[in-house]
Amino acid sequence: AQSVTQLDSQVPVFEEAPVELRCNYSSSVSVYLFWYVQYPNQGLQLLLKYLSGSTLVESINGFEAEFNKSQTSFHLRKPSVHISDTAEYFCAVTDSGAGSYQLTFGKGTKLSVIP
Amino acid sequence: DTGVSQDPRHKITKRGQNVTFRCDPISEHNRLYWYRQTLGQGPEFLTYFQNEAQLEKSRLLSDRFSAERPKGSFSTLEIQRTEQGDSAMYLCASSRVAGGTDTQYFGPGTRLTVL
Repeated sequence: AQSVTQLDSQVPVFEEAPVELRCNYSSSVSVYLFWYVQYPNQGLQLLLKYLSGSTLVESINGFEAEFNKSQTSFHLRKPSVHISDTAEYFCAVTDSGAGSYQLTFGKGTKLSVIP
Repeated sequence: DTGVSQDPRHKITKRGQNVTFRCDPISEHNRLYWYRQTLGQGPEFLTYFQNEAQLEKSRLLSDRFSAERPKGSFSTLEIQRTEQGDSAMYLCASSRVAGGTDTQYFGPGTRLTVL
């Protein structure tokens, strides 16, 4: 069984400041890792993903995440946040070798960007 | 390329009534997933289809729940004899498995309120 822990349920940060949203996972097998973002009353949008290769992955809007196998982490970072980044962020994991690829999500981190 | 669509976006029903939700995946996506998201939680896997075959069901999917995907296109999720505990956001996602990887794209969700 897999699990995802997002330690921070809420993260307030001032505009243009850096932010890190933490994600740790537990799995006995190789994994794929994802970050999704959810704006109020909307579905989830894929932000970025790690499947294989370079452990540092980037999104088009300035976020990046680094897969650390030894620490079983996939923290999300942005060097300078914008008001529009205010949303809830979900980390998710799936077994890379299984047939179903069902996602196991963390409980989410609400990022509030303060003007 | 249109995204995943879900209908209705909101549904309010009385306890004991039956409800049905529809999901239209991205065209040519062979996999379709259903998740449920309750307040303050991340989405939880319910079931998934590969083409028209329902291949896996979560323990969360009680016998009051049934899902279909006729002809491997759109899918429906029916809940019979709704209970207040069924109140949640029901999310649909689709993907096209290729090269051993799977990236799921989510619809906007159907928010169910059971009175």
